Amino acid sequence: TQLLEQSPQFLSIQEGENLTVYCNSSSVFSSLQWYRQEPGEGPVLLVTVVTGGEVKKLKRLTFQFGDARKDSSLHITAAQTGDTGLYLCAGVLITGGGNKLTFGTGTQLKVEL
Amino acid sequence: NAGVTQTPKFQVLKTGQSMTLQCAQDMNHEYMSWYRQDPGMGLRLIHYSVGAGITDQGEVPNGYNVSRSTTEDFPLRLLSAAPSQTSVYFCASRTEGRHGYTFGSGTRLTVV
Repeated sequence: TQLLEQSPQFLSIQEGENLTVYCNSSSVFSSLQWYRQEPGEGPVLLVTVVTGGEVKKLKRLTFQFGDARKDSSLHITAAQTGDTGLYLCAGVLITGGGNKLTFGTGTQLKVEL
Repeated sequence: NAGVTQTPKFQVLKTGQSMTLQCAQDMNHEYMSWYRQDPGMGLRLIHYSVGAGITDQGEVPNGYNVSRSTTEDFPLRLLSAAPSQTSVYFCASRTEGRHGYTFGSGTRLTVV
C-alpha cells in the first residue's frame, strides 16, 4: 500500500498548456516536499510546505498544501519543454520520525513543442 | 561544494557477492539516508542516520548494513547480493532545521 498516491502517473502535453499534479494520502504529514528528477540524476528539491493551506509560488509553479495536511498539488502554468521530468512528492508523517521521508510513486511529465 | 557524492555510478554483481556503495557529503549535514528507486514504486528508505554513530532502519532494510563513523561518510553494504537488489540507489543528506534533502546522482546496481 502506497502511503502517498500521485496522479496522474503520466502526462504528455503541448508547450503552453497548464497542468496540475496531485499528491494524496489518508495520513497527516508535518511537511510535504516536491522534487523534480531528470534521467540519470537524483531528485532535486523544488519546495517544502509545512503549514496547512499554505501556497508557495516558484515562477510558473504553484504548490499548495491541503488544509488538513493530507494532500498537496503542483500546478504548472504555461508549461515549457524544460519542465519535462519526473515529479515526486514526499512527506514526513506527523506520527513518524522526523527523518523518515516517504515518497509518492511520481508523475512523469513530458512537454512537447 | 561538491554536495553529495556517490560511487560507483554503475556496478554489476554476481549473486552472493558483497560490495559497498560509497556516499560522502561535504556540507556538514547531520542527517543522511539511503533510498532505492524501482520502477512503479518510487523511492523507498533503506537506512538513515541522524549523526555520527547513530543509524536506524527504514522501510526496506533487509540485506543491507550501514555505519556512520564520521559526519561526512555513510556507506551502504550489501552482504550477499540478490537479483531483487537490482535497483538504483540514492544517498541523500540534510541539515537540522531544513526539511529538504540534497541527493547524490545515484548508483545503478545490477545483480545477475
